[in-house]
Amino acid sequence: DVKVTQSSRYLVKRTGEKVFLECVQDMDHENMFWYRQDPGLGLRLIYFSYDVKMKEKGDIPEGYSVSREKKERFSLILESASTNQTSMYLCASSPGRAGAFIYEQYFGPGTRLTVT
Amino acid sequence: GNSVTQMEGPVTLSEEAFLTINCTYTATGYPSLFWYVQYPGEGLQLLLKATKADDKGSNKGFEATYRKETTSFHLEKGSVQVSDSAVYFCALWMDSSYKLIFGSGTRLLVRP
Repeated sequence: DVKVTQSSRYLVKRTGEKVFLECVQDMDHENMFWYRQDPGLGLRLIYFSYDVKMKEKGDIPEGYSVSREKKERFSLILESASTNQTSMYLCASSPGRAGAFIYEQYFGPGTRLTVT
Repeated sequence: GNSVTQMEGPVTLSEEAFLTINCTYTATGYPSLFWYVQYPGEGLQLLLKATKADDKGSNKGFEATYRKETTSFHLEKGSVQVSDSAVYFCALWMDSSYKLIFGSGTRLLVRP
C-alpha cells in the first residue's frame, strides 16, 4: 500500500515563526502536492512538484514556499506564520505523467496547524 | 474557470437509508470526475472515478454516473452503514491544468 506520512498531526506555532511541514511518501511517486483544507472551502492547492527540485505554484501560494531535494520528501515552509494560516494541511502524491493514474492522489493524514 | 459544487451538509441518515450526495461541475472541455472520501482522522482516499460521459464509477456499494448533459456526478448508495460516516469530496481533473479541483465536501452522519 502507498503510504504518505506527515511529520506532525498537530502543531501550535506563534505568529512570525518559521514553520516546516514535512511529507514523505514511500512509493517512488514523481508528483507531490500540498493542500490546505478549510471548512466550506474544500481543498485548495498550495504548491505541487512533478520532479526533484521542481515546483509549481497552485492556487494559493502566497505566504508559502516548498522544497523538494529528494524524490520521497516534499516540505512546506511558512516563512513567517500568520493567524490566517491556521488550517489543516494535507500532503498527497501520485504516479508520474506517463501513467494512466496520475489523477489518483494518495493523501497523508494531515497536519492541523494552529497559529496564535 | 473549472469548478465543482457540492450540496452542503451535514447529511444525517439512519442506517440502511438511501444516500444521494449531489455534485455538479463547470469545466471547459471534458474532465474526469472523482469522489474522494475522508474518514475521521485520516487523509482522503479515492472512492470511485469516471473518465468519460455516461461512465459509471462504483466501489464499496457507492455509485456515480458521469452525466454530461446535466454536468453532474451524484454519489449514491442504496443502504448506508454507520461505517460510511465521513466527509465526501467531489473532484474533477483536467489534463490541461494538471491538478485536481475539489468541491467543498459533504459530511455524512449515519446513525444506528
